[in-house]
Amino acid sequence: SQQGEEDPQALSIQEGENATMNCSYKTSINNLQWYRQNSGRGLVHLILIRSNEREKHSGRLRVTLDTSKKSSSLLITASRAADTASYFCATVNRGSTLGRLYFGRGTQLTVWP
Amino acid sequence: GAVVSQHPSWVICKSGTSVKIECRSLDFQATTMFWYRQFPKQSLMLMATSNEGSKATYEQGVEKDKFLINHASLTLSTLTVTSAHPEDSSFYICSVPHQGANEKLFFGSGTQLSVL
Repeated sequence: SQQGEEDPQALSIQEGENATMNCSYKTSINNLQWYRQNSGRGLVHLILIRSNEREKHSGRLRVTLDTSKKSSSLLITASRAADTASYFCATVNRGSTLGRLYFGRGTQLTVWP
Repeated sequence: GAVVSQHPSWVICKSGTSVKIECRSLDFQATTMFWYRQFPKQSLMLMATSNEGSKATYEQGVEKDKFLINHASLTLSTLTVTSAHPEDSSFYICSVPHQGANEKLFFGSGTQLSVL
């Protein structure tokens, strides 16, 4: 059921720097979502971008979507140590069951103070 | 506050025992809930879709007799790992669609199962 692929698998940066994570997927989608997971915890929804949208912002987060390339990126600006977590993209595929998500492998982000 | 409550947060059990994990939707009724499994440093793999009032829908390769799902009410779904073995050790997470819309999911905090 895994659909997306994120890269890099791991990213290590200093506080204040920007972090960019990429996600690729394989089929037609209704929307793409980014989630955050702290170690050993559940997932927290960050942002959703629909298939007819190209860019979306939420606070320090910026998400882009290129449906022609079947890819998305998540940019976290001015990163903080508290941003350290795993980040997953997930797609809702066209025609799929309500609420059914396909997750990528995730990017482990470490932000050093 | 939390929208989805999942417990226990962790459980250690002996091989051969059964473990029940509960997932409750606190803020709204949910006719559908999802159960995921996650191995260390891996992605979430959908195991099954829990349907209130009917049988759960299992993903390919997931044993329905091994992972029993009961959607007892509009706010509660349970996953029972029957006759657990060490290879069943994993992080199990439930999720609830946001008010029935094909949008974001709310996730439980997860259950770490360790089978000795």
